[in-house]
Amino acid sequence: DAKTTQPNSMESNEEEPVHLPCNHSTISGTDYIHWYRQLPSQGPEYVIHGLTSNVNNRMASLAIAEDRKSSTLILHRATLRDAAVYYCILRDVLARQLTFGSGTQLTVLP
Amino acid sequence: DTGVSQDPRHKITKRGQNVTFRCDPISEHNRLYWYRQTLGQGPEFLTYFQNEAQLEKSRLLSDRFSAERPKGSFSTLEIQRTEQGDSAMYLCASSQPYLAGTENTEAFFGQGTRLTVV
Repeated sequence: DAKTTQPNSMESNEEEPVHLPCNHSTISGTDYIHWYRQLPSQGPEYVIHGLTSNVNNRMASLAIAEDRKSSTLILHRATLRDAAVYYCILRDVLARQLTFGSGTQLTVLP
Repeated sequence: DTGVSQDPRHKITKRGQNVTFRCDPISEHNRLYWYRQTLGQGPEFLTYFQNEAQLEKSRLLSDRFSAERPKGSFSTLEIQRTEQGDSAMYLCASSQPYLAGTENTEAFFGQGTRLTVV
């Protein structure tokens, strides 16, 4: 599986936008970029995924670099409930499982 | 539907004992996964079922581990002769059937079973 690199931790102030980066320089043409997050004492939760174009949903936006070697998860207005570990995952189009890294621990300050 | 349900939420067992965990996936999901997560790490894939067929097993799944999914509904994960290194959170996830055009459907995770081996 192609690897991703994320910062170990990030901090944000409540009600401000948060940009969570992910590098994936060895991404292949059939890899989708997935983001999951894990709140304390919970299982991971799907956030968003994309292939080449930027994507938006009610939770977040995903900005994908033109060369696809990096992406950014954008939370438009962070709330205290967004404090979680955020995982950036590359998943081949036919892969069955998700391969998690260590993720980014996001702390949201009131 | 209440989502993916796992039971028990917590289990403390003595080294050498056998334990069994149960996972009830979302009802229309035919794909079911087990993962293991240790403190500070992301979840690691253990095994995958499509309906009742176990199609993939990780090398992490030693011969002390066995998983079943009779009739393609709920699944059980059994660990025999538990060791302290088995202490972890065991997560179950399910996702929709594979259909062309729905590749990479999202996985829905349960809250996990936290196992402590003493």
